[in-house]
Amino acid sequence: DTAVSQTPKYLVTQMGNDKSIKCEQNLGHDTMYWYKQDSKKFLKIMFSYNNKELIINETVPNRFSPKSPDKAHLNLHINSLELGDSAVYFCASSPALGAGERNEQFFGPGTRLTVL
Amino acid sequence: DAKTTQPPSMDCAEGRAANLPCNHSTISGNEYVYWYRQIHSQGPQYIIHGLKNNETNEMASLIITEDRKSSTLILPHATLRDTAVYYCIVRLRGGSGGSNYKLTFGKGTLLTVNP
Repeated sequence: DTAVSQTPKYLVTQMGNDKSIKCEQNLGHDTMYWYKQDSKKFLKIMFSYNNKELIINETVPNRFSPKSPDKAHLNLHINSLELGDSAVYFCASSPALGAGERNEQFFGPGTRLTVL
Repeated sequence: DAKTTQPPSMDCAEGRAANLPCNHSTISGNEYVYWYRQIHSQGPQYIIHGLKNNETNEMASLIITEDRKSSTLILPHATLRDTAVYYCIVRLRGGSGGSNYKLTFGKGTLLTVNP
């Protein structure tokens, strides 16, 4: 069974469209993340939710809106897509932080978004 | 999080040990060293982490210098499937606050294992 899954794996769309990427984890983790990896392969965090509460919001345009309906899901909605949004988006999850825990983040397979 | 410095690329022969260095000279006392890797077209994968003692698991060994300003990830018997970008990350562990949760990835080291 896949620990962290994302859908779709590939997404090709036109500029100006609105699209969503879904992420689900079956690990029972409290914290979920979205990362963006651009064409230069830099991997940067965008958002993080802990128990459905937003805890990290990096300098991401307002067009990006994460939604966490429950602890197991963190979806990413993008409005008015631009050419620069083309990238691979990775979802990840981790246990809640605490002493003695490894704090390992488990990553999904990624969603390759291409904006034409 | 402290900044890390890694060589952009390294080669290793299959079956030999791969030693990947990382400098983190500004690391603070409550920051850990984490290693992740990213195989082509896949999500990053946790390898190992440590504070000050050397660590070993089923994937690798982590050697941290006594002053904690540098570390080395060792893959004892590299295989072709170990070809990947390896990221050395320094981060706080535990406690509250969003900054403790995030991983700050640098450019990493592209390790190529050759047959």
